[in-house]
Amino acid sequence: KNEVEQSPQNLTAQEGEFITINCSYSVGISALHWLQQHPGGGIVSLFMLSSGKKKHGRLIATINIQEKHSSLHITASHPRDSAVYICAVRGGNKLVFGAGTILRVKS
Amino acid sequence: DVKVTQSSRYLVKRTGEKVFLECVQDMDHENMFWYRQDPGLGLRLIYFSYDVKMKEKGDIPEGYSVSREKKERFSLILESASTNQTSMYLCASQSSGNTIYFGEGSWLTVV
Repeated sequence: KNEVEQSPQNLTAQEGEFITINCSYSVGISALHWLQQHPGGGIVSLFMLSSGKKKHGRLIATINIQEKHSSLHITASHPRDSAVYICAVRGGNKLVFGAGTILRVKS
Repeated sequence: DVKVTQSSRYLVKRTGEKVFLECVQDMDHENMFWYRQDPGLGLRLIYFSYDVKMKEKGDIPEGYSVSREKKERFSLILESASTNQTSMYLCASQSSGNTIYFGEGSWLTVV
């Protein structure tokens, strides 16, 4: 069993829909990261959180430490949100990555 | 803006060649990382460094070495490239406990 599990693996949504991507982990962590990767390779950090909730524009990230679960929400989705979303957890000096969720938003 | 620059975006090398992948960051970060990313396997840590001349093996160090002679530069070396090292390589840097920043990636094909 992977230490970090993401669901769903693939997600297709219609423009304007509310999207949720889930991340569950099995190890103790000091922080959790949500990352976005567009075609071509570059990865951008969206959020780093260790408790509660963070919001940036249309993106919201929550974490429940007791349940070892985090969610990334996208409100009013847009085709430019199409990307791979990756959850990563920090234990010690290293990050452990989920396999990613491929999101496609259709217009 | 923090910048992590990988010197080569696309490389094609022959089996047995020595390959250098260079990574430079401009924010005086202590920690630097090299990952490879393969379809279905996600990102896997090859090596990381938390200070000049310091290095630690990640999850898949076999066939790779690294060099960190200056704080801003972290090099990944494939001593004798093999076809199973065809992959996308990502460098990252981070100040302890803070946001991690990635380079654009280097696509390596070994033929």
